[in-house]
Amino acid sequence: EVQLVESGGGLIQPGGSLRLSCAASGLTVSSNYMSWVRQAPGKGLEWVSVIYSLGTTYYADSVKGRFTISRDNSKNTLYLQMNTLRAEDTAVYYCASELPPPRAFFHYWGQGTLVTVSS
Amino acid sequence: DIQMTQSPSSLSASVGDRVTITCRASQNVNNYLNWYQQKPGKAPKVLIYAASSLQSGVPSRFSGSGSGTDFTLTISSLQPEDFATYYCQQSYSTLRTFGGGTKVEIK
Repeated sequence: EVQLVESGGGLIQPGGSLRLSCAASGLTVSSNYMSWVRQAPGKGLEWVSVIYSLGTTYYADSVKGRFTISRDNSKNTLYLQMNTLRAEDTAVYYCASELPPPRAFFHYWGQGTLVTVSS
Repeated sequence: DIQMTQSPSSLSASVGDRVTITCRASQNVNNYLNWYQQKPGKAPKVLIYAASSLQSGVPSRFSGSGSGTDFTLTISSLQPEDFATYYCQQSYSTLRTFGGGTKVEIK
C-alpha cells in the first residue's frame, strides 16, 4: 500500500521560512514524478512544483525563486523549502505522485499539511 | 502558463440528474486532461485521465470527452456520494495547472 505523509506545516510569520517533508512508503520517490500541490482555505487547487525522476525541477510562477523542491533518496522523502513566505502562501500543502505520460495524472496524494503565514 | 477555465463554478442538482461540467484550456493540451473529485477535508481523487479514460474503480456513470482545448465531464445519473467539488487539470505543459473547480450541491 502506498502512503505519502506530509509534515512540517505550522504558523509562520511573513518573510519566514519553513521546510515541508513528505515521507513515502510503498513507492520510491526517486523513481516517480513528485509534485507539491496547495489549496488555500476555501479555494481551489494550485500546482506548486515538480521534481522528475532524473532530478529536473519546475515551479509555478507564484513560487519561483522562493521555493525549492528536493528529495532525499536514502530517506525516500520529498521536501519543499519555502522562503520569504507571504500571507498568500497560506494553504494546505499536499505531496502527490504523478504517473508518467501518457497517463500523466496525480495518482497518490498525502493527507496534506497546513501552512499559515500570519503575524 | 496554460490557463484552465471551468464552468459552471457551482451547480445544484438532484439525485438522478445528468450533470455536465466543462473545462476550456487557453491553448491546445492535446488529450492531457484529467478530472478529479474532492470532498471536504480530503485529498483529490482522479476520476478520468487522458480526457476520456476511466480510472480503475471509478463508477461508469462518470465519463469524459474532448480534445485540444475543450473538455467535458459528465455524470450520467448523480448519486448522493457525488456531491463534491470537481477539478480539471492539464498535464500537457511541464507547469501543471488546475481549473478553478465546480462545486456540485444538492438541490
